[in-house]
Amino acid sequence: EPEVTQTPSHQVTQMGQEVILRCVPISNHLYFYWYRQILGQKVEFLVSFYNNEISEKSEIFDDQFSVERPDGSNFTLKIRSTKLEDSAMYFCASSPVRDGQSPLHFGNGTRLTVT
Amino acid sequence: EDKVVQSPLSLVVHEGDTVTLNCSYEVTNFRSLLWYKQEKKAPTFLFMLTSSGIEKKSGRLSSILDKKELFSILNITATQTGDSAVYLCAVRPGGTSYGKLTFGQGTILTVHP
Repeated sequence: EPEVTQTPSHQVTQMGQEVILRCVPISNHLYFYWYRQILGQKVEFLVSFYNNEISEKSEIFDDQFSVERPDGSNFTLKIRSTKLEDSAMYFCASSPVRDGQSPLHFGNGTRLTVT
Repeated sequence: EDKVVQSPLSLVVHEGDTVTLNCSYEVTNFRSLLWYKQEKKAPTFLFMLTSSGIEKKSGRLSSILDKKELFSILNITATQTGDSAVYLCAVRPGGTSYGKLTFGQGTILTVHP
């Protein structure tokens, strides 16, 4: 069964550094998302992306965050200057259509640790 | 603000037991409710419910939605150790926010042999 693939599985970085989290969505999917889960807390929506632009973003997704689809397969989340509170599990997800009838398929996540 | 509350927060049972997990929600514009199973990493999709009273079933798992009382239940019969996981409930809003799911805090299910 096709999967959403995320790399790396674990990233450790120092406060103030830039990080790029990578995702390869399922190949025929058109809609892409980033969610995060701070340890012990709920999974939270960050951003949705379609047709090379952001469709919707949450309050969490401030100017420090950006997303990009640099080629036909990868979907990236960049955090420009990481803070301690950015430490979380970041999940990429994709869906084939944007009709509300298809579930989101999640990747295994990247655990980001900011020291 | 949309809100999803799951109960219980954790549950410990023995193999063969039947469990019922609860999810209640408050949303301004409801489209569907989704259940996911999270075993250490990726939430994996279980069910999507849009209509009240229609049970969705997959093997030993089943789920139903009550849109009047704003809740859903996930039943697991004859539990096995492989059912041990965090079960997540999420609501999907109507309108154009197709991908903006609001999750509950999850129910941690532990099944002992």
